[in-house]
Amino acid sequence: AQKVTQAQTEISVVEKEDVTLDCVYETRDTTYYLFWYKQPPSGELVFLIRRNSFDEQNEISGRYSWNFQKSTSSFNFTITASQVVDSAVYFCALSLDSGNTPLVFGKGTRLSVIA
Amino acid sequence: KAGVTQTPRYLIKTRGQQVTLSCSPISGHRSVSWYQQTPGQGLQFLFEYFSETQRNKGNFPGRFSGRQFSNSRSEMNVSTLELGDSALYLCASSQGLAVPEQFFGPGTRLTVL
Repeated sequence: AQKVTQAQTEISVVEKEDVTLDCVYETRDTTYYLFWYKQPPSGELVFLIRRNSFDEQNEISGRYSWNFQKSTSSFNFTITASQVVDSAVYFCALSLDSGNTPLVFGKGTRLSVIA
Repeated sequence: KAGVTQTPRYLIKTRGQQVTLSCSPISGHRSVSWYQQTPGQGLQFLFEYFSETQRNKGNFPGRFSGRQFSNSRSEMNVSTLELGDSALYLCASSQGLAVPEQFFGPGTRLTVL
């Protein structure tokens, strides 16, 4: 069975600080996808990024960056120079590469950015 | 493109009633998945439909059911509502086979009194 663990339940930072959200996953499959979603107070899950298990290249998108390490089964998410608008719950998720399999989500990390 | 739409956005029901939630996927998307989000259990997969066929089902009782229409729109139904069914129900659409990104709607907040 697949499992995603986000050990940080809540994080609070001051605006302009950098913050890293941790994600550790478990799967016996060799082919899988990892995702990050953002859930603002409105409730909608916003897709941020997808990584497949064969692509360990780190990615940067503006203030966001992702560090995928298969050796430690981790897919961490860093926000640089955080802003108040980054305040949300962030979810890490995993799905298997066998058609459209369900997303298995972590419990989420609530990030509060204080002005 | 318009995003995933869900109706209604908010719903209040009483125990024992039944409810139907609706989801319209992104145009061209053929797969629709439903998830339940509660504070205690987090995000849990309910079921997934592709081309009007249920392809996957989560670990939920038979009171939870769904269907997909030929235009890819989907409905989910919960019968004999229980207090524990109070949750945010999220619908996600994707293009289908071999395209793993799922895009979510705003959800339907169901409150069971």
